[in-house]
Amino acid sequence: RKEVEQDPGPFNVPEGATVAFNCTYSNSASQSFFWYRQDCRKEPKLLMSVYSSGNEDGRFTAQLNRASQYISLLIRDSKLSDSATYLCVVRGSNYKLTFGKGTLLTVNP
Amino acid sequence: ETGVTQSPTHLIKTRGQQVTLRCSSQSGHNTVSWYQQALGQGPQFIFQYYREEENGRGNFPPRFSGLQFPNYSSELNVNALELDDSALYLCASSVGVVQGTDTQYFGPGTRLTVL
Repeated sequence: RKEVEQDPGPFNVPEGATVAFNCTYSNSASQSFFWYRQDCRKEPKLLMSVYSSGNEDGRFTAQLNRASQYISLLIRDSKLSDSATYLCVVRGSNYKLTFGKGTLLTVNP
Repeated sequence: ETGVTQSPTHLIKTRGQQVTLRCSSQSGHNTVSWYQQALGQGPQFIFQYYREEENGRGNFPPRFSGLQFPNYSSELNVNALELDDSALYLCASSVGVVQGTDTQYFGPGTRLTVL
């Protein structure tokens, strides 16, 4: 089983749609969780950290379920500029970030 | 921007050659990590340096090596290049909390092509 697994995608949605990304991780000792965004041929950029209580940043909502080892990201009212690859990222009690394969989102006009 | 720079932007090498990639971190960032991102994949952890010492390593062979310098710059060296080494190489720096939730800031990457 892969350490971090994401929806394979790609997702194609119209502007204004709500889209959800799902991710599972295998290491129950994982301590920190993140969603990164990566534009084509660019570096990953931190979108938001994910906390057990759930957290929201504008149109973006992230949820963490430690019991199910499941992370989600919800994007409401999608914009064209949201088109990117979304990477689920986990960090354990060590130092390294473990990335999922990423899910490509294309928001269409 | 993140304040992390990498050079060169692109590089073409042939099998068997050696390559050195460079990264310059933000001032005060004592930790640098290197990642390899193959096409269509997420970044894979290569190793991390903290205050000039290797602090952890992923599943990469010894021909991948690194150095970190006191001036917040670092290098990734790859010997005996193979075709599968073709990838985007990313460095990421952070303040230096080895564990915990400090943020890693990525540089723009070096795209290496091995022919």
